[in-house]
Parts: sequence; C-alpha cells; structure tokens
Amino acid sequence: AQSVSQHNHHVILSEAASLELGCNYSYGGTVNLFWYVQYPGQHLQLLLKYFSGDPLVKGIKGFEAEFIKSKFSFNLRKPSVQWSDTAEYFCAVNPNTGGFKTIFGAGTRLFVKA
Amino acid sequence: DGGITQSPKYLFRKEGQNVTLSCEQNLNHDAMYWYRQDPGQGLRLIYYSQIVNDFQKGDIAEGYSVSREKKESFPLTVTSAQKNPTAFYLCASSIPGRGPETQYFGPGTRLLVL
Repeated sequence: AQSVSQHNHHVILSEAASLELGCNYSYGGTVNLFWYVQYPGQHLQLLLKYFSGDPLVKGIKGFEAEFIKSKFSFNLRKPSVQWSDTAEYFCAVNPNTGGFKTIFGAGTRLFVKA
Repeated sequence: DGGITQSPKYLFRKEGQNVTLSCEQNLNHDAMYWYRQDPGQGLRLIYYSQIVNDFQKGDIAEGYSVSREKKESFPLTVTSAQKNPTAFYLCASSIPGRGPETQYFGPGTRLLVL
C-alpha cells in the first residue's frame, strides 16, 4: 500500500536554528508532492508543491523542499526558523495517475522557542 | 471571500446517534473531500466526490455516509455504526485535472461522543 512517512513527530528548535523535516513515500511511479502547514487556530494550507522540473522547490515564508527521486524523499527545509513557524507540517503525495487520492503523512509538530 | 466553511466548530453526540457535519464551498471547485484527523495519524480520507451526484469511498468509509446533490455542498453523516467517531474532521476541495491538485481546507469540526 502507498504510504508517506514523516520521521519526526515533534521538533523543538530555537529561533534562527535551521530546520529540516524528513518525508519519504512509497510509490514507484510518478508523483506530485506537497507540504501543507497548519498554524495554530488556522486552516490547513499549502506551503509548497512539486510536480515536475527543478527538484528544488521554493514555497512561502522562506521554506523550500528538495525532491530526491532515488531516495523517494521530499524533505522540507528552512535556513533560519522564526517563532511564527510554530505549526504542524504535513507531507502529502498524490500518485500522478489521474486519480484523486492524496496520501498524507502523520504530521510533524514544530515548536520554535523565542 | 472565497473559501470553505464547516459547521459546527464543535459537535457533541450521544452514543447511538447519527450526526451530520456541514461543508460548503464557494470556490466553484468540482472535487470535494472529507478527512479525519487523529493525533499521530495525520489525515485519512473518508470519502471524496469528483462531481455532483458522484462520490467514492476513501480508506476509512465504514460508519460514514455522504451526499453530493449540489456542487457547493458535501455533507458528511457520522452514523452510529462508526465505532470511534471522536476526532477532528476536515473538509477540502480542489480543481481536478489541472496538474498537481492543491487542496483547500475548511476550519474543521471537532466531534466528541459523550
């Protein structure tokens, strides 16, 4: 069965620290990849997405993610986090088969200390 | 403002009762989805609908039912057959067929069974 694994359930960082959240998926075909973020009290929203082209994708608020096909990974990075980045982050995969099913990871809760 | 609304924000249910969660969107999206979010498990797909009067079961459809009589509306009924209904329910919508599908989420409904 297709699945998405996020390596860390909870991450605590100090402001200005660098962030990398791991995401691996199990699907052998072409995929569309997403990171969604849920800030406290807000809707789940898109952070960035990849579907083709440059494997390094830039999103909102200084986030970026790198698609490494050989590793089935799509890790999220930010060079310097801020207190306002405190949120839950979800990696998601949509197999590019024309279907409508997007598979979400379990999420990583990030807490940034001011 | 375009978006997705879910009501109510909190819902309490007695055991044995059916309850219906509302989801309305004014984004003119064809596809709509219902997810269940449990701590540590991410989002799991309950049902989805690609078009009016059509819907498909997701991964955890047992104990749930939906209808899609209007493009804007996709209500979810949690029946008494759902053994563990206490959870956070998220509705989403998207425009299918235009590359990787970004999903737009509502604010969610938290259901608590008493």
